[in-house]
Amino acid sequence: NAGVTQTPKFRVLKTGQSMTLLCAQDMNHEYMYWYRQDPGMGLRLIHYSVGEGTTAKGEVPDGYNVSRLKKQNFLLGLESAAPSQTSVYFCASRDPTGRYEQYFGPGTRLTVT
Amino acid sequence: AQTVTQSQPEMSVQEAETVTLSCTYDTSESDYYLFWYKQPPSRQMILVIRQEAYKQQNATENRFSVNFQKAAKSFSLKISDSQLGDAAMYFCAYRSDRGDYGGSQGNLIFGKGTKLSVKP
Repeated sequence: NAGVTQTPKFRVLKTGQSMTLLCAQDMNHEYMYWYRQDPGMGLRLIHYSVGEGTTAKGEVPDGYNVSRLKKQNFLLGLESAAPSQTSVYFCASRDPTGRYEQYFGPGTRLTVT
Repeated sequence: AQTVTQSQPEMSVQEAETVTLSCTYDTSESDYYLFWYKQPPSRQMILVIRQEAYKQQNATENRFSVNFQKAAKSFSLKISDSQLGDAAMYFCAYRSDRGDYGGSQGNLIFGKGTKLSVKP
């Protein structure tokens, strides 16, 4: 049981390049989330999904797109990376029938130059 | 909208001593959950403790306990017998309990964090 995994762990992009971050969970959780963490800030919600085929915007969605084609995977895409998207990205999942916690992945450090 | 405030950017404690980290929040809701997460240098987010707003009793997990003051909207974390491994960023987080059909979908709202150093 690997929990929540994220690929890649580190990435450096040039401005204007695109990339996709992959989040996978093996706990059969319905809900999945993408957060970003910037220095001096807590985690802020980018997008989330309440089930396969569904996505919704969070607090800071601009410049990102997401897809949830399979229940266990939640992809975060950057179509044209900008330096402002330099951050650490966390994925999390949660069982909505459970009353408590989200389970977090180890994070992806992305630098856009 | 709900907000979470951690007014102490950094704290320091001597090994084996006790330290309290502060958190206040703002909400108009009556049902919610509060959490403390620990983030060591490895970046992994680790749940330390959780508190349901409807429970008057303060949550305790081994050396970690909270002081939950619902009327004051305060949720502080006390770490007793501090250990070197406690050194980390600590985040306070809020989650609505309007239910998964009430629009919140379990999203966490985080404070900006408190960096805790432990001196040997």
